[in-house]
Amino acid sequence: EAGVVQSPRYKIIEKKQPVAFWCNPISGHNTLYWYLQNLGQGPELLIRYENEEAVDDSQLPKDRFSAERLKGVDSTLKIQPAELGDSAVYLCASSLGGTGTTGETQYFGPGTRLLVL
Amino acid sequence: AQKVTQAQTEISVVEKEDVTLDCVYETRDTTYYLFWYKQPPSGELVFLIRRNSFDEQNEISGRYSWNFQKSTSSFNFTITASQVVDSAVYFCALSEAPGGSYIPTFGRGTSLIVHP
Repeated sequence: EAGVVQSPRYKIIEKKQPVAFWCNPISGHNTLYWYLQNLGQGPELLIRYENEEAVDDSQLPKDRFSAERLKGVDSTLKIQPAELGDSAVYLCASSLGGTGTTGETQYFGPGTRLLVL
Repeated sequence: AQKVTQAQTEISVVEKEDVTLDCVYETRDTTYYLFWYKQPPSGELVFLIRRNSFDEQNEISGRYSWNFQKSTSSFNFTITASQVVDSAVYFCALSEAPGGSYIPTFGRGTSLIVHP
């Protein structure tokens, strides 16, 4: 069974440019997560989707970050415009999902390593 | 608020040594879940174990074992007879049950280096 797929794996952009990351979760997983991981830190949740609905987005800097999961499968995370401090690894994860399923095991993709110059 | 502390930033051992990675957590919930993940240099977090707060039984999986103690709010991870392939960053994470803040919290990770 295929795991969580993310692309691109690496991205280098200049500040003020837009950037987008794509994630395809494990087949059948209804819950999708986007995390930010700074160097030497653990992942921090940006947003969580239950199917196509964003149910946890309090950590998402909405002035420049946006995300969508239009058909409840693939998801895109966008930054516009990017700032130097956005350089980090952006991880996508998925889990089975469903009512009252907090504490589910999340399966992670390889991440996108972003460098903003 | 929930919190996870991994006090060991980096541990260096020689192959075949046993090593224990510490994890201390804080939560006000009586129902919660604890996890360990491994992050090799490739970057992908690999799930190792999930434990709910009502199950304090220690668990062993091959060379890996976990010691969950609610009395000290700890969920420590031991690798027996370490191997070079165990070199990675290991993260402990906490997730609270319905009614609490769902947002899972990760520790800062412990970098394990196993020398041949």
